[in-house]
Amino acid sequence: GNSVTQMEGPVTLSEEAFLTINCTYTATGYPSLFWYVQYPGEGLQLLLKATKADDKGSNKGFEATYRKETTSFHLEKGSVQVSDSAVYFCALSNAGNMLTFGGGTRLMVKP
Amino acid sequence: GAVVSQHPSRVICKSGTSVKIECRSLDFQATTMFWYRQFPKQSLMLMATSNEGSKATYEQGVEKDKFLINHASLTLSTLTVTSAHPEDSSFYICSARENNYGYTFGSGTRLTVV
Repeated sequence: GNSVTQMEGPVTLSEEAFLTINCTYTATGYPSLFWYVQYPGEGLQLLLKATKADDKGSNKGFEATYRKETTSFHLEKGSVQVSDSAVYFCALSNAGNMLTFGGGTRLMVKP
Repeated sequence: GAVVSQHPSRVICKSGTSVKIECRSLDFQATTMFWYRQFPKQSLMLMATSNEGSKATYEQGVEKDKFLINHASLTLSTLTVTSAHPEDSSFYICSARENNYGYTFGSGTRLTVV
């Protein structure tokens, strides 16, 4: 079946530091990959996505590249801000079916 | 973009009562909606898939008689927590899939049963 594994948090960084949150997946076929962000007390917002191998999703300074050879979709940002503090979820969808989520990674950015 | 409205955002109810949570797709039609439950500091657990005009599909271990799902129209799905108990306290999130925008999530409902 499908599964998503992402690094456990919390990840604590200083403002302007470089961010990497690792995500690997197991799936049959060619899934679409997503990163969602959840701010405290809110639902999930789509941050970025990639639908095929070597695609790079990007949004708000965040990037992730669909690496089929390593079955990974690591999230990166060159310079984090306090406002980026949130929980980040990696997810996949296979053939338009429901989303499978990773466990979430809490990011805390200190000024 | 696609917008999903969920309410109430917070609800407190007494043990033994029932609570209804609504999930609406505002600018698109959603034949399928999804209901998730999220425990503190944990990931989302899919409870059920709500299908317009037919019965919901529940995930293993989810009590269908306790968590009643109705998807009576293409823009509205409801989750009713019946005879609520403190252990049902949680954060419930709905999601709908729109062809162009993919999955869109509601803002969640914080249920507290006292």
